[in-house]
Amino acid sequence: NAGVTQTPKFQVLKTGQSMTLQCAQDMNHNSMYWYRQDPGMGLRLIYYSASEGTTDKGEVPNGYNVSRLNKREFSLRLESAAPSQTSVYFCASRGQVSTGELFFGEGSRLTVL
Amino acid sequence: GIQVEQSPPDLILQEGANSTLRCNFSDSVNNLQWFHQNPWGQLINLFYIPSGTKQNGRLSATTVATERYSLLYMSSSQTTDSGVYFCAVELHNDMRFGAGTRLTVKP
Repeated sequence: NAGVTQTPKFQVLKTGQSMTLQCAQDMNHNSMYWYRQDPGMGLRLIYYSASEGTTDKGEVPNGYNVSRLNKREFSLRLESAAPSQTSVYFCASRGQVSTGELFFGEGSRLTVL
Repeated sequence: GIQVEQSPPDLILQEGANSTLRCNFSDSVNNLQWFHQNPWGQLINLFYIPSGTKQNGRLSATTVATERYSLLYMSSSQTTDSGVYFCAVELHNDMRFGAGTRLTVKP
């Protein structure tokens, strides 16, 4: 079982560059999430998608865009990366929004120089 | 948003010891989960426990929703239990994580 798969695992960008983090889940979950984790802190929600075709802002959405491509895939895009976006990014999914266990991918470490 | 406080922030144990981690939250919630983040950064589900008590091997958890806290009990700790333990609470799609408890189990 692959569960939640994120790519790439590591990425280094220069300030102003753009990139997309990809996430796919094979658990037939409706809801998908993007979080960031900074040193010494818990995870903070960037965006989520309650179901295919919908997306909503979380706690820290500025500087990011998302696309729910289909039921399986949810991507996170940085249009113009800034050093403040250096972080570890986690994708997660669960069966339904606001209920049930959340399952995480292995994380993507992004460094913006 | 909901405030989540975890205690203690750091805990060092000798292998075989027992421990209790606490999660306090500031508002009523409809979901609560405990996670273990291992030294490689992977987040592992421990319990989905919006209320009541659950047990899984050496771990058990209790959430008293009316008093706004949850406890994670660990017995006979092992070095592989090291890592950071997070509590996450949710109300109406707003899920907030605590800052975590960093556990180090020494052989």
